Parts: sequence; C-alpha cells; structure tokens
Amino acid sequence: QSALTQPASVSGSPGQSITISCTGTSSDVGGYNFVSWYQQHPGKAPKLMIYDVSNRPSGVSNRFSGSKSGNTASLTISGLQAEDEADYFCSSYTGSNPFYVFGTGTEVTVL
Amino acid sequence: QVQLVESGGGVVQPGRSLRLSCAASGFIFSDYTVHWVRQAPGKGLEWLAVISYDGSQRYSADSVRGRLTISRDNSKNTLYLQMNSLRVDDTAVYYCARAESSSWHNFDNWGQGTLVTVSS
Repeated sequence: QSALTQPASVSGSPGQSITISCTGTSSDVGGYNFVSWYQQHPGKAPKLMIYDVSNRPSGVSNRFSGSKSGNTASLTISGLQAEDEADYFCSSYTGSNPFYVFGTGTEVTVL
Repeated sequence: QVQLVESGGGVVQPGRSLRLSCAASGFIFSDYTVHWVRQAPGKGLEWLAVISYDGSQRYSADSVRGRLTISRDNSKNTLYLQMNSLRVDDTAVYYCARAESSSWHNFDNWGQGTLVTVSS
C-alpha cells in the first residue's frame, strides 16, 4: 500500500482560502468514507481536524472543511490565519493490511 | 483533560530490543482502542498497530509484524510497543494515538511522541 499523494506545499495570504488534495486509489480513499485530516505544528503531536471525510471534531474551527470525489479527498481552509501554518496529513482506512495509510504531507505557508 | 505520554525511546544498536510505553490519563483507558503510529525524520506518518479496548483484537502492519508487538495493561492505563530486531530504518518518533470512541478509524488524541534512534 503506497502513501496517499498530497502536494508538498500550499500557500496563501491571510483571509484567503486554500485547498489541499489527497489522492489515493479505489482501495483506500475511493473505497471508504474513512478519510481523516491532521494538523501538525513543528515538534508537536498531530491534531485531528476532519474525520469521516467531512466531519469536524468539537473545538475545531468551521474554517476547516473536508470533501471527497472519487479517489481524491480535499481539505479546505477558508479565512486563512497565521496559526494555520503547519503540516497537514490525510489518512484513510484501507480494509486490508496495512489498515491505515497516511498522505505524504503538505506544508501550509501563510504569506 | 486527555493525556497520552510516551516514554522508552532512546538510542539503540541495530538488532537490539526496546519497549515503548504510553501512559494514559484523563479518560477511561479501558474503554478505548489505541494505535501506534511512527514518523521517520522528515517523513510522513506510518501506521504500525492497533489494539482493541480489551486487548482481544490486535493488528499490526505487515511491514513490522513479527518484530513489533502491541499490548496493553488496563490496570495500569498503559499501552506498550515491544520492538525487537531493530533496524536503522526503524529510527522515528513513535506516537500513541487514541481512536475516537465510536470508530477505530479516527485518531482523536495523540501523545507528544518518543524518539527512537537505531544506530551503531
């Protein structure tokens, strides 16, 4: 099972919207609605931002939203803020070993 | 609040063993499934293993099966990862992560990680 493909970096100005893609296959992203997104600041633990494709955990800003089309999931951050600058990883359930696969990671820069 | 604190990392020679621990607090540990995930330096995340709330179900990634074993002691609120026959490419930060209560698939709380360096 290969890692899910994400763009290495995405940038935007404060207040803008950005979208991060996460491309897999029909065996992972396309096959299940178990896609999650994690935010990771340098030296910190990952934080769950989106689960089951488009659900936000309690306490996560509604500026974060998720969607999926076919084998590609997306995370959109609207109203970009300086605190959003971090690495973002997607993950998906795969149904077979390894049962979870993560994305290659995207570095978000706020200009 | 929910806390997961990993320990046991360090520098170890290739071929040796290490046991990582993850101490849980702030929630009923025995109610939750937990995972181990690692991150090699400058790399992405890699799922390693999962164990159900009562330890009756456990699954490991094929890439590490036979060398890395997940276990838990609910009386001590602690998760373990026994790592044998360590290799240089096992060098990584190792995280424990709690699965969300209604689904194994969402890792809703993570520890800060413990660094394992395998080097001669």
